[in-house]
Amino acid sequence: DQQVKQNSPSLSVQEGRISILNCDYTNSMFDYFLWYKKYPAEGPTFLISISSIKDKNEDGRFTVFLNKSAKHLSLHIVPSQPGDSAVYFCAASAGNQFYFGTGTSLTVIP
Amino acid sequence: DAGVTQSPTHLIKTRGQQVTLRCSPKSGHDTVSWYQQALGQGPQFIFQYYEEEERQRGNFPDRFSGHQFPNYSSELNVNALLLGDSALYLCASSLRGRETQYFGPGTRLLVL
Repeated sequence: DQQVKQNSPSLSVQEGRISILNCDYTNSMFDYFLWYKKYPAEGPTFLISISSIKDKNEDGRFTVFLNKSAKHLSLHIVPSQPGDSAVYFCAASAGNQFYFGTGTSLTVIP
Repeated sequence: DAGVTQSPTHLIKTRGQQVTLRCSPKSGHDTVSWYQQALGQGPQFIFQYYEEEERQRGNFPDRFSGHQFPNYSSELNVNALLLGDSALYLCASSLRGRETQYFGPGTRLLVL
């Protein structure tokens, strides 16, 4: 029962362009959403979060958008840099338990 | 500011054995959650410890158990290991369990 889905396993973007990573969820009780970045042989690193009372949160090059009616979350990275190449996971929670998507592997081409 | 640490980094066991993984939370954090990440999958929630008690549990059998110590560090124990238990085991810490979770580097377990 996959409550958080990332339907694109991979994404390639040119350096300097925008990267858009998408995430869909099914549980309307989720009220807190996060994005994590993961390099090989490391644990996930927290990037940015958003609560359900907002529809946008920005932190430097990273912006997360939340569309509650569509149960859709997206992460925009502008401009994309080669160091952004990693696997990105979205996560959602309702209470103490976090549910993760299967990840999208982003490759930023120099 | 020390981040989340986990030990060991790698472990090889055989079917039927038992294993104990350890986690020290980020400084100032009091809640520890454990996740299992199989190859090509996202982390799956095992359970969460706060105030030395298991507060929430995911869909994992009783072979998976844990403990939290007064200094907030935690252990994950897995009994009667199966081949399917081979995975990356991640520990994440947070404050009060409701806030953003910060992950350690993980322990890679291989069951032969």
